[in-house]
Amino acid sequence: NAGVTQTPKFRVLKTGQSMTLLCAQDMNHEYMYWYRQDPGMGLRLIHYSVGEGTTAKGEVPDGYNVSRLKKQNFLLGLESAAPSQTSVYFCASSLDGTGAPKAYGYTFGSGTRLTVV
Amino acid sequence: LAKTTQPISMDSYEGQEVNITCSHNNIATNDYITWYQQFPSQGPRFIIQGYKTKVTNEVASLFIPADRKSSTLSLPRVSLSDTAVYYCLVGPLFSGGYNKLIFGAGTRLAVHP
Repeated sequence: NAGVTQTPKFRVLKTGQSMTLLCAQDMNHEYMYWYRQDPGMGLRLIHYSVGEGTTAKGEVPDGYNVSRLKKQNFLLGLESAAPSQTSVYFCASSLDGTGAPKAYGYTFGSGTRLTVV
Repeated sequence: LAKTTQPISMDSYEGQEVNITCSHNNIATNDYITWYQQFPSQGPRFIIQGYKTKVTNEVASLFIPADRKSSTLSLPRVSLSDTAVYYCLVGPLFSGGYNKLIFGAGTRLAVHP
């Protein structure tokens, strides 16, 4: 089925370890996003990309890096994990503003639950 | 981007109609109103989007008054499976501005038997 796929679904890291979260979409969407969601809160934008080879900072970018080498993939990296980065991470994608009526609609992945101990 | 205000939580019973209102007093002329639904352990899912008056799809209806300072998501005859968090978002459709979408805490809807 078409959509956004996130890997892994769960991960436990020790403080100071690094890891990369992978997001892949097969809808040929231009825009991709990484959000984090903490208990009882809404989603906060970490980084986003408006096209292959581009990235930009969102609301809470510190401690994270991203890359968009291919249009269909958006990687989120944690270089030195901290307990404050324990969260559920969601990737999303959308068309840019010049397309279909649902251009404003995001398609989200099912999330990656990350625990840093 | 326009700030939105919606109730933190709501309770309902199976078979009832549920209306969730979102206030967006500072909505701009080119802003659209979009609602998302999030089930536990899943990412948000697009429900409905509108600009003015009424929009209806197979899932819900969206009512937007003439002044557009608020909107109401209407879920007809809810079931237990409608228990979720509902987010109201306001932003421009054809602009890079929507890459800064703000998801607030949303409204937690609990549907009881």
